[in-house]
Amino acid sequence: AQSVAQPEDQVNVAEGNPLTVKCTYSVSGNPYLFWYVQYPNRGLQFLLKYITGDNLVKGSYGFEAEFNKSQTSFHLKKPSALVSDSALYFCAVRDDRGSTLGRLYFGRGTQLTVWP
Amino acid sequence: DTGVSQNPRHKITKRGQNVTFRCDPISEHNRLYWYRQTLGQGPEFLTYFQNEAQLEKSRLLSDRFSAERPKGSFSTLEIQRTEQGDSAMYLCASSLLRGPFYNEQFFGPGTRLTVL
Repeated sequence: AQSVAQPEDQVNVAEGNPLTVKCTYSVSGNPYLFWYVQYPNRGLQFLLKYITGDNLVKGSYGFEAEFNKSQTSFHLKKPSALVSDSALYFCAVRDDRGSTLGRLYFGRGTQLTVWP
Repeated sequence: DTGVSQNPRHKITKRGQNVTFRCDPISEHNRLYWYRQTLGQGPEFLTYFQNEAQLEKSRLLSDRFSAERPKGSFSTLEIQRTEQGDSAMYLCASSLLRGPFYNEQFFGPGTRLTVL
């Protein structure tokens, strides 16, 4: 069964420090992996995706994520956090085979707080 | 604005009433998805359309829920005989069928339903 785990409900970092938001996944086929960000009272905004190719994926707003097949992880990273990065972050996975081609499976979300 | 739009943004209703939400996807997007998000959870897949065909439905979509996309453009999600457990944010997303961005789902701002 497809699933996503975000083991941390909250991540707190100081502005200027690197940040990591963790994600692990489980799929039956090859994973398509995504990170989305959600600001209060807003819909989800796409940050980045891994489909195939380089394990390090670069996305919007200076974010990047590293795909690790052996650890089934797709951690979100940023070298230097900004206060404006404070938001709710969701990891999502899609399977590349089977009958559930349309749907994304989301984690529960990680609330990132960057303090000045 | 050329993004995904949803109406209404907020809906308060009494238990037992019917409600209908509308989603207008990005104009050239063939695929349209509905998700439900409750407090503290990630979005959960409800259903998805490819053009006017409803290709997949989650077990979350009980008999009280029905979704349509009659002309392959906008979609409606109706909930009959609402229950307090239906209170949630209902998110719509759309994506292309093919091309370099076909895996990316673009989300609308959501409709927040409160059932009293």
